[in-house]
Amino acid sequence: QQPVQSPQAVILREGEDAVINCSSSKALYSVHWYRQKHGEAPVFLMILLKGGEQKGHEKISASFNEKKQQSSLYLTASQLSYSGTYFCGTEVTGKLIFGQGTTLQVKP
Amino acid sequence: EAGVTQFPSHSVIEKGQTVTLRCDPISGHDNLYWYRRVMGKEIKFLLHFVKESKQDESGMPNNRFLAERTGGTYSTLKVQPAELEDSGVYFCASSQASPLNEQFFGPGTRLTVL
Repeated sequence: QQPVQSPQAVILREGEDAVINCSSSKALYSVHWYRQKHGEAPVFLMILLKGGEQKGHEKISASFNEKKQQSSLYLTASQLSYSGTYFCGTEVTGKLIFGQGTTLQVKP
Repeated sequence: EAGVTQFPSHSVIEKGQTVTLRCDPISGHDNLYWYRRVMGKEIKFLLHFVKESKQDESGMPNNRFLAERTGGTYSTLKVQPAELEDSGVYFCASSQASPLNEQFFGPGTRLTVL
């Protein structure tokens, strides 16, 4: 039931792009994306709904592929502030089931 | 608008002791969630309140954990007696009426059981 994220870790240079995938073995109706910096609260990035459009927030966008039961998070022209652990969460009866997280490190 | 607050920020206790964590959600948020993150692992759901009622407590590890939400406002999570494996960061989150809304997370309580 827990979604699977890939890759587990990514190291980038500033300005490079990255894609984080979130896959589920069950039908997806909504996917939530959060970013957590070390020692801080997870921060909401966006929600993707089944049948919804691709969402974006500045240089971070996401897509939802219903057929593949997968969501992808796209980070374009990464900045140092993008560093952290990214979690996808699938909504199941009102609660979020999170993936194991993808650690992203952006270096100067 | 004040965010979700949690108290204490850190707690170090010995095995067998009792600890109570507190969460104050954003005012007006009916949904309140408790999650736990053990180091390096996923954020794991513990339970969900809608106002003062437990909607889903399927993630509670065992009967050593007791959660309450008095009057549908703040919530407490008590661990009694604490075991080593209870160590981790306990997050509280709240959201407005629809569960599909963004969940706002608190800063977490880091619990260390020695």
